[in-house]
Amino acid sequence: DIQMTQSPSTLSASVGDRVTITCRASQSTNNWLAWYQQKAGKAPKLLIYKASSLESGVPSRFSGSGSGTEFTLTISSLQPDDFGTYYCQQYNSYPITFGGGTKVEIK
Amino acid sequence: EVQLVESGGGLVQPGGSLRLSCAASGFTFSSDWMTWVRQAPGKGLEWVANIKQDGSEKYYVDSVKGRFTISRDNAKNSLYLQMDSLRVEDTAVYYCAREAGGSGNRNDYWGQGTLVTVSS
Repeated sequence: DIQMTQSPSTLSASVGDRVTITCRASQSTNNWLAWYQQKAGKAPKLLIYKASSLESGVPSRFSGSGSGTEFTLTISSLQPDDFGTYYCQQYNSYPITFGGGTKVEIK
Repeated sequence: EVQLVESGGGLVQPGGSLRLSCAASGFTFSSDWMTWVRQAPGKGLEWVANIKQDGSEKYYVDSVKGRFTISRDNAKNSLYLQMDSLRVEDTAVYYCAREAGGSGNRNDYWGQGTLVTVSS
C-alpha cells in the first residue's frame, strides 16, 4: 500500500497569507494525486487532480505542484472561506489512500 | 445537477449487518465507477471500496475484505454497500462518491454521508 504523509497537521494563518501544505508518498504515485477540502460536517470537495490540474469551479488561488513522491498544495492568498481540513489522495494503485489531513485555521 | 444521497445508516450491534444505499441523479450513473469512502468520528478519510460501471470489477481495502460487499443496480441508479460482521472500528460516516475518468480515479462528486454506529 502507498502511505501518504501530510505536513503540517495543523496551521494557523492570516487572511492574505500564502499557505503551503506538503504531501509525501511512500512510493511514486505517477502524479495520480488529488487534493480535497473538507469543512466540518460536510463532504470533501475536490480541488486539484493529476497533481496540478484545477477542478472546474475552484478558485485560481488554489494550485498544486510536485511529482513522483512529493507534492504541494498552495493557497496563494488565504481567504476566510478557506478554513477547513485538506487531504491528499493517491489514486495510482489500490488500495487508494489518503493523507492524514491538514487543518487550516484562520488567525 | 449531480446528486448523491446516502441512506441506511444507523446503530447496530457488533457482529451485525447493515446495508447502505446511495441514490444517484443528474448524470449517467451506468457510465461511471463509484466509490465508498468512510470517516470515523474525528478522524481522516478512508477509501473503502469501488465498483466498475457494469459491476464486473470491485476493489476493497483490506480491513473490510470478506465482510463488506459493494454492488450497484444501474436500472435504479443506485449503489449499495452490504456490511456484515460489523466491528466497533467500522463506526464512521460513509460517503458514496463518483469517480471521474475511470478506474481508481479522483472523486468529483460526493454525497452528504450516512452515519453507521457499531456499539453494544
